[in-house]
Amino acid sequence: DGGITQSPKYLFRKEGQNVTLSCEQNLNHDAMYWYRQDPGQGLRLIYYSQIVNDFQKGDIAEGYSVSREKKESFPLTVTSAQKNPTAFYLCASQGLAQPQHFGDGTRLSIL
Amino acid sequence: DQQVKQNSPSLSVQEGRISILNCDYTNSMFDYFLWYKKYPAEGPTFLISISSIKDKNEDGRFTVFLNKSAKHLSLHIVPSQPGDSAVYFCAARGTSGTYKYIFGTGTRLKVLA
Repeated sequence: DGGITQSPKYLFRKEGQNVTLSCEQNLNHDAMYWYRQDPGQGLRLIYYSQIVNDFQKGDIAEGYSVSREKKESFPLTVTSAQKNPTAFYLCASQGLAQPQHFGDGTRLSIL
Repeated sequence: DQQVKQNSPSLSVQEGRISILNCDYTNSMFDYFLWYKKYPAEGPTFLISISSIKDKNEDGRFTVFLNKSAKHLSLHIVPSQPGDSAVYFCAARGTSGTYKYIFGTGTRLKVLA
């Protein structure tokens, strides 16, 4: 059963700590994305990757980092430099000429 | 600068009636538009799309209309059902070949039984 898996579903972080959100897909999609959703706002693009070992900054990349060492995986690290990390994070993947498919998200909260 | 706008944050409709969700965009280079539906604590799911070479696309109860001159698209749901209650996002893609989508802020639809 193909899909996108985000883990964990809920994550808590102490101030000053880095934390990594996992995103795995078995859809054989080339492109993967990370979005952030805040209450009353749309999905804002953090980073995206069109191919392995390559990624580009989105609209709100400051305080975040990513890697794309494997086609299936696109982890997002929320660093201590991100001043307002509490949000709902969504990962998506996309194949050629297809719409983006989303995971079920990770809700990150600061303790 | 919001390039894709959904000016109605919420909409309530009686079951069986038509729901019309609106979306405006500013960039005439957008060539592909999509609607996504999102339930709480879940990721958005793809609903329907339309290319800029068309002005209408229909899939069951869902129809998307595109008015390029007005830079406006709308999603019609007929008849509306309680299970349609969710947040709906429109999204636009830039020039053909780009993988980057721009999303609106969403409209929360509530279908009343």
